[in-house]
Amino acid sequence: QVQLQESGPGLVKPSGTLSLTCAVSGGSISSSSWWSWFRQPPGKGLEWLGEINHSGSTNYNPSLRGRVTISVDNSQSQISLKLSSVTAADTAVYYCAREDILPTGGTSAFDVWGQGTMVTVSS
Amino acid sequence: DIQMTQSPSTLSASVGDTVTITCRASQSISRWLAWYQQKPGKAPKLLIYKASSLESGVPSRFSGSGSGTEFTLTISGLQPDDFATYYCQQYNGHSKTFGQGTKVEIK
Repeated sequence: QVQLQESGPGLVKPSGTLSLTCAVSGGSISSSSWWSWFRQPPGKGLEWLGEINHSGSTNYNPSLRGRVTISVDNSQSQISLKLSSVTAADTAVYYCAREDILPTGGTSAFDVWGQGTMVTVSS
Repeated sequence: DIQMTQSPSTLSASVGDTVTITCRASQSISRWLAWYQQKPGKAPKLLIYKASSLESGVPSRFSGSGSGTEFTLTISGLQPDDFATYYCQQYNGHSKTFGQGTKVEIK
């Protein structure tokens, strides 16, 4: 079954760029799925950051004002997240997740999640 | 942007109780509504998708209903493992938003 594993630096300096990778195993990244990034600040709720499919089509949360970029590397079965101009407000646990497409149309929401990786923005 | 309003924010209940959590969308999302359970330090776990479809492996005491703008998650016969935080999420189109969460506590 599909498994996801996030990785990347746990500490990023203010005004820098946060870069994370999500490794997909146990299944094809090129299947009819969308792959999303989420985050959750300590003690707070969940926020969707954006999504990508295997062909590179993307959609982003407008509230991030163009700071977020998501890319896919099909050969490495990886999804990447870049978030620029970070501040302390970007400190959070970051998750990647799969949104599977239903054969009847629509999706089955986010059925597979990584375990999450904590990123702290601090000098 | 579609806003999701979840209530209550906290719910105190006992083992065996039936509890209901409500989620309202700021505009119609048809049935594109999911429910997740999250425990401290863990990723969210999908319980219900498309408003009422039970995710594989999830106990049948969890059920979802609703369409349009009003949705509910019901847990019939609360078990010790069910004390957690629950989130609704709309996924209508290429934008996803969550409710603020409901923490189910032991009374």
